[in-house]
Amino acid sequence: GQQLNQSPQSMFIQEGEDVSMNCTSSSIFNTWLWYKQDPGEGPVLLIALYKAGELTSNGRLTAQFGITRKDSFLNISASIPSDVGIYFCAGRDTSGTYKYIFGTGTRLKVLA
Amino acid sequence: DTAVSQTPKYLVTQMGNDKSIKCEQNLGHDTMYWYKQDSKKFLKIMFSYNNKELIINETVPNRFSPKSPDKAHLNLHINSLELGDSAVYFCASSQMTAGYGYTFGSGTRLTVV
Repeated sequence: GQQLNQSPQSMFIQEGEDVSMNCTSSSIFNTWLWYKQDPGEGPVLLIALYKAGELTSNGRLTAQFGITRKDSFLNISASIPSDVGIYFCAGRDTSGTYKYIFGTGTRLKVLA
Repeated sequence: DTAVSQTPKYLVTQMGNDKSIKCEQNLGHDTMYWYKQDSKKFLKIMFSYNNKELIINETVPNRFSPKSPDKAHLNLHINSLELGDSAVYFCASSQMTAGYGYTFGSGTRLTVV
């Protein structure tokens, strides 16, 4: 089945640093989403991407939909302690079921 | 006003018991989902209902049975609970064809002892 691999799996960074993470797939997706999950909560949508090559920002977050439609990346600029959490990418299945496949997650820890 | 609400938040039960988790959404979405998040935090879809009709039924033991009395509610009943069922179960909703992604509930942490 379709799988989304995220890298890195986890990262520790200093407050103020920029962060970059990506998501790759063996299949093509038509929509890419990026979610953040805080401890004890459900994932919350950060950014949605709908076209190959699209670059979208949401505050300090920037995400891009890869040209091949098989990858996406998320950048966080000037990280702050509340950026801690698990970041998930999700790709929309193209088989017509409209379901999203979630990536394996990137665990981010920010050192103050 | 909570958009997607699940109850209970925590559930601890013994092996062999039957339990239910309830989910309600007030977003007017037409599709609801159950996802399972394991100890490694992988999120896997289990079921999806669109306007009360089951449209996604992944490879899940038939001890798990979803029920959608109306498009705002999706419940999950689990029979004969096993240790391996311990996980966090997330309900989510969306407007299916809109492509805007899901809104998730805050999860139900199920622990089977």
